[in-house]
Amino acid sequence: NAGVTQTPKFRVLKTGQSMTLLCAQDMNHEYMYWYRQDPGMGLRLIHYSVGEGTTAKGEVPDGYNVSRLKKQNFLLGLESAAPSQTSVYFCASSLTGGLAQPQHFGDGTRLSIL
Amino acid sequence: GQQLNQSPQSMFIQEGEDVSMNCTSSSIFNTWLWYKQDPGEGPVLLIALYKAGELTSNGRLTAQFGITRKDSFLNISASIPSDVGIYFCAGMEYGNKLVFGAGTILRVKS
Repeated sequence: NAGVTQTPKFRVLKTGQSMTLLCAQDMNHEYMYWYRQDPGMGLRLIHYSVGEGTTAKGEVPDGYNVSRLKKQNFLLGLESAAPSQTSVYFCASSLTGGLAQPQHFGDGTRLSIL
Repeated sequence: GQQLNQSPQSMFIQEGEDVSMNCTSSSIFNTWLWYKQDPGEGPVLLIALYKAGELTSNGRLTAQFGITRKDSFLNISASIPSDVGIYFCAGMEYGNKLVFGAGTILRVKS
């Protein structure tokens, strides 16, 4: 059981380049989330999805887009990367949105924008 | 957005000592969670608290959900080297969205 898998694990981009981060979960979870983690700060929610075909904005959505075409996958896109988007990105999933459903995290994608 | 105040920011303790850390918020949460993050990995859930006043244990870890629903604490008893890592508190908002504290870095001196 792989849980939540993120690809790639590391990436270096130049300013203005675009890329897509992939998150896949094999637990049949309905809800999926993308966070970013910066030094000295907790994780901050970028976007989330409450089911296939749905997405919603989190706390820090600007500069990112997401898609949830399949239940098991949640994609995070950077259309024009900026140095301020250098961060560690974490994907998470939960069975539903109920209070008793904790989120399970992937191991992160370390992204550097030069 | 909302923020949780987590303290201390870091701790450097002797192996075998007990550890306490806490988290406070200006807002009420209905669920409090404690996660641990090891280097190069994602956060792993340690304890989930669902009721005000609830006290829950997981091995050497004990966490409590404050009566006011605006705070929580985590205790680790008899710390060992593998307790090293970053501990995050998180409050759960409507829609299963989490608000995280900035983390407590735990370093254990063997």
